[in-house]
Amino acid sequence: GQQLNQSPQSMFIQEGEDVSMNCTSSSIFNTWLWYKQDPGEGPVLLIALYKAGELTSNGRLTAQFGITRKDSFLNISASIPSDVGIYFCAGLRETSGSRLTFGEGTQLTVNP
Amino acid sequence: GAGVSQSPSNKVTEKGKDVELRCDPISGHTALYWYRQSLGQGLEFLIYFQGNSAPDKSGLPSDRFSAERTGGSVSTLTIQRTQQEDSAVYLCASSLVGTSGAYTQYFGPGTRLTVL
Repeated sequence: GQQLNQSPQSMFIQEGEDVSMNCTSSSIFNTWLWYKQDPGEGPVLLIALYKAGELTSNGRLTAQFGITRKDSFLNISASIPSDVGIYFCAGLRETSGSRLTFGEGTQLTVNP
Repeated sequence: GAGVSQSPSNKVTEKGKDVELRCDPISGHTALYWYRQSLGQGLEFLIYFQGNSAPDKSGLPSDRFSAERTGGSVSTLTIQRTQQEDSAVYLCASSLVGTSGAYTQYFGPGTRLTVL
């Protein structure tokens, strides 16, 4: 199926640094979700966005639903070692019912 | 527990054998989804159940794959005549439908399938 273009594929940062990752598509999405997946576990929802232009925070995480409805970004501020994991964006298109389309993930490594 | 559970957590099988993977969704969630995640990849949609409606099977990769959901709760994903390319983590998710945040899907821990 169609994948979202998620970048970067991987990031290596120092503890305390800020992180930014994004997803883009040629299609319009009605909902954007950001998930984090730890090894051996299923993805856990971090932030859900339902309206174009929406900016939502969850602790040190901030995500925005792009105005064009074709992109979204996730920022993590003041990273800590437990932020390590794979971050996935997921989008819901009007024509796809409840089928989520996932990005390929951003592998984040935080060095203490 | 209150979350989505899946069993088994790991399954190793020989090529050509059939396997069954089980998912117990969150109680009260009417929607149930199956995804496949290959190593280092994102999630690939397989099938979606919503209440008593006909399931959306459009993501199933071949007719060797099938799934059912009995009593609107537990679901079983069956792969017949397994092939090595079926090796992946199979994730189940459930969600409410018809409320705000309806598309917030909650995932189970997955079943890691290895076909030798």
